[in-house]
Amino acid sequence: DSGVTQTPKHLITATGQRVTLRCSPRSGDLSVYWYQQSLDQGLQFLIQYYNGEERAKGNILERFSAQQFPDLHSELNLSSLELGDSALYFCASSVSLAGGQKDTQYFGPGTRLTVL
Amino acid sequence: DAKTTQPPSMDCAEGRAANLPCNHSTISGNEYVYWYRQIHSQGPQYIIHGLKNNETNEMASLIITEDRKSSTLILPHATLRDTAVYYCIASLSSGTYKYIFGTGTRLKVLA
Repeated sequence: DSGVTQTPKHLITATGQRVTLRCSPRSGDLSVYWYQQSLDQGLQFLIQYYNGEERAKGNILERFSAQQFPDLHSELNLSSLELGDSALYFCASSVSLAGGQKDTQYFGPGTRLTVL
Repeated sequence: DAKTTQPPSMDCAEGRAANLPCNHSTISGNEYVYWYRQIHSQGPQYIIHGLKNNETNEMASLIITEDRKSSTLILPHATLRDTAVYYCIASLSSGTYKYIFGTGTRLKVLA
């Protein structure tokens, strides 16, 4: 158990809909990262937040957005869903931005999104 | 960011050492080498990381060549539960996030 929690575990929805994925980081971790993993693909970095502020962006679509709240939990919002958005979405957390030991990311169990 | 190259797949007999290579010939002096693994569709699991020196923990050993252009992850006594995809990543030691997961090495431990 990494200490990172994600809800829900599974989500099935229809095209055009909007969903929200939730992540609670490990206690004491200030950085939260979101990744997307499509079937048999590697992990694609989407976005990083540090202590409530956006710090880095990867290949995140404009239809997707995220935020980190004062209690440090994070939400990833996916809107106007398309079939191709079906994937595993992982959240990870780390202590800081600093790098090295403190930058080690610990991953949650993921949310499996299915768009029909 | 340094690009890493790993073999797509490897087999290892149960109880033997699994040696997983990674090339990172463009790694810069302040980039750490990280190893993670992903068992089936679970969240990736941190294994080990290092900068210059060899490292060992309860899970594995990491051997980094002197020129830092390659490294080897060693699982000393592989078990069936070590069957997973192993990712080698180079990450900056400071500042902005830089984690690029490639396709990794699919390790199959055989009974």
